[in-house]
Amino acid sequence: GQQVMQIPQYQHVQEGEDFTTYCNSSTTLSNIQWYKQRPGGHPVFLIQLVKSGEVKKQKRLTFQFGEAKKNSSLHITATQTTDVGTYFCAGPNFNKFYFGSGTKLNVKP
Amino acid sequence: DSGVTQTPKHLITATGQRVTLRCSPRSGDLSVYWYQQSLDQGLQFLIQYYNGEERAKGNILERFSAQQFPDLHSELNLSSLELGDSALYFCASSTGTGGYTFGSGTRLTVV
Repeated sequence: GQQVMQIPQYQHVQEGEDFTTYCNSSTTLSNIQWYKQRPGGHPVFLIQLVKSGEVKKQKRLTFQFGEAKKNSSLHITATQTTDVGTYFCAGPNFNKFYFGSGTKLNVKP
Repeated sequence: DSGVTQTPKHLITATGQRVTLRCSPRSGDLSVYWYQQSLDQGLQFLIQYYNGEERAKGNILERFSAQQFPDLHSELNLSSLELGDSALYFCASSTGTGGYTFGSGTRLTVV
């Protein structure tokens, strides 16, 4: 089945530093979604990317979908302690999404 | 409140027992998805229902089963429970396009 691989598994940054997580697929994706899960919480949908080379921004978060639609990234500029959590990408397989293993972000104040 | 309601929030039960987890999807969403998340792990897709019918199966054990009722709420039944079944079980719903809306989850502890 469809698998999306996500790296790194963990990232510890100092508040104010940037952060990037990467998502890779062996096959072309029709679209990709990103979610954030705060510690003790549930995944929350952030965004969906559909077009090749698409770049979308949400305040300090920048999402990119690769030209070949096989990879994606989430970049956070100037992290804040509120960014702490696990970020998941999810790729579709027929009617459901398979989630990457997630990148756990810890931000030290 | 995401609009997806899961009950109970916590469940502690003994090995060998059977439990039922319940999910009410967001109003208007016909699709319900069940995911399992073990400690500090990713989300493992279990099963999907759409308007009462099973649509897709993931890594769901034979000891587990689910159904979606005419009012669109769904139940996940876990039987012959083992210690390794301890996990967070999330239900999510969607309209079929766009992102999933997750419930707060049921934390199952098997002792």
